Amino acid sequence: QQQVKQSPQSLIVQKGGISIINCAYENTAFDYFPWYQQFPGKGPALLIAIRPDVSEKKEGRFTISFNKSAKQFSLHIMDSQPGDSATYFCAAMGGSEKLVFGKGMKLTVNP
Amino acid sequence: NAGVTQTPKFRVLKTGQSMTLLCAQDMNHEYMYWYRQDPGMGLRLIHYSVGEGTTAKGEVPDGYNVSRLKKQNFLLGLESAAPSQTSVYFCASSSPRPGQIYEQYFGPGTRLTVT
Repeated sequence: QQQVKQSPQSLIVQKGGISIINCAYENTAFDYFPWYQQFPGKGPALLIAIRPDVSEKKEGRFTISFNKSAKQFSLHIMDSQPGDSATYFCAAMGGSEKLVFGKGMKLTVNP
Repeated sequence: NAGVTQTPKFRVLKTGQSMTLLCAQDMNHEYMYWYRQDPGMGLRLIHYSVGEGTTAKGEVPDGYNVSRLKKQNFLLGLESAAPSQTSVYFCASSSPRPGQIYEQYFGPGTRLTVT
């Protein structure tokens, strides 16, 4: 049973465009929702995270939108740049110190 | 600080051979994790540890063993490697602090091929 479902699996956008990645979860005990960014040949690194007491969090060009009633959250990358080309993972945690990851989305930003 | 380091970076094994992957962290973190990453499967938790001398099973523990004899080290063992264990293995560590953003810090990974 996949607890965190991520879509799409891959995305190609032009430089300056908006990239949107969606995730849905099932476990209502989850109370922490991070996004990790992974460049080829590297380990994932925390990009941005949100708790369900807010509906949106913005850090620079990256924004998380959170819909508690729908059990969905999404990452928006504004003004996408070629340097944003990476794999993005959504994740969720609650009730333990274990993260449950989505399957990842490979983003390619063309110059 | 080196953060989280993993040894080795690459390894090729024959079916049935054994090996140990070493993870070390210098951030004095309590929690440590081993994941495997396969194409289209995301990151799946193999085993984890919430403190020195403790270990617990994750989502995909079969075929692996772990040990946490020292706080800074977390070892992942394959007793009899199988082709299905061909993967990229990541170690991570964390130390939750009330009121702070929770973050797992990942190592650079070990690429293992079992032939």
